[in-house]
Amino acid sequence: QVHLQQWGAGLLKPSETLSLTCAVYGDSFNFNYWSWIRQPPGKGLEWIGEINHAGNTNYNPSLKSRATISIDTSNNQFALKLTSVTAADTGVYYCAKGGSTSWNRRYNWFGPWGQGILVTVSS
Amino acid sequence: DIVMTQSPDSLALSLGERATINCKSSQSVLYTSINQSYLSWYQQKPGQPPKLLIYWASTRQSGVPDRFSGSGSGTDFTLTISSLQAEDVAVYYCQQYYNTPWTFGQGTKVEIK
Repeated sequence: QVHLQQWGAGLLKPSETLSLTCAVYGDSFNFNYWSWIRQPPGKGLEWIGEINHAGNTNYNPSLKSRATISIDTSNNQFALKLTSVTAADTGVYYCAKGGSTSWNRRYNWFGPWGQGILVTVSS
Repeated sequence: DIVMTQSPDSLALSLGERATINCKSSQSVLYTSINQSYLSWYQQKPGQPPKLLIYWASTRQSGVPDRFSGSGSGTDFTLTISSLQAEDVAVYYCQQYYNTPWTFGQGTKVEIK
């Protein structure tokens, strides 16, 4: 059974870099994409970006190139860095297993999810 | 970006009642080559990550009770809880995976009256 466990710093100052890591247990990186998703306090879900085992990435343009996702296949981990954070980046950050490709087209529902980490940006 | 709009924002029903949540996409998420809609549903309880309920608009994830069902195609979708239970109190989200960026609806909060 797939299990995702995430960790990283929970309190940042404006302009610092957010850094989170997600470890995947019970599954292989080889057939899926792996995503980061965030949720501001009391609000909805925003997809940040994804990576596959080959290091191919896709990002949400709303992050304006501040996000970088990397992968460490030897340890079954993937990571998120988000630069120049502001108070607007405050929220719970989740990692999640995404989809793959079928019928020559990507499919991408999310599940399972990591436990989430609350990241607060405050001076 | 494909904008997902859910209605209502919240609903309060009695135990055993039928709950209906609607989700509308700003463009079709139907891949006509395989006649599948690229739409999923999630349940999020307080303090927990979202949980996948349904994908391909109507396929229940393993382990999800059969009182949850999804329907619709193209741009209009519905999540139905046939008989509301106390443990179904949560926020429900739809999500399209037709195009990146993958996008979610704003959520519908379901409560017990």
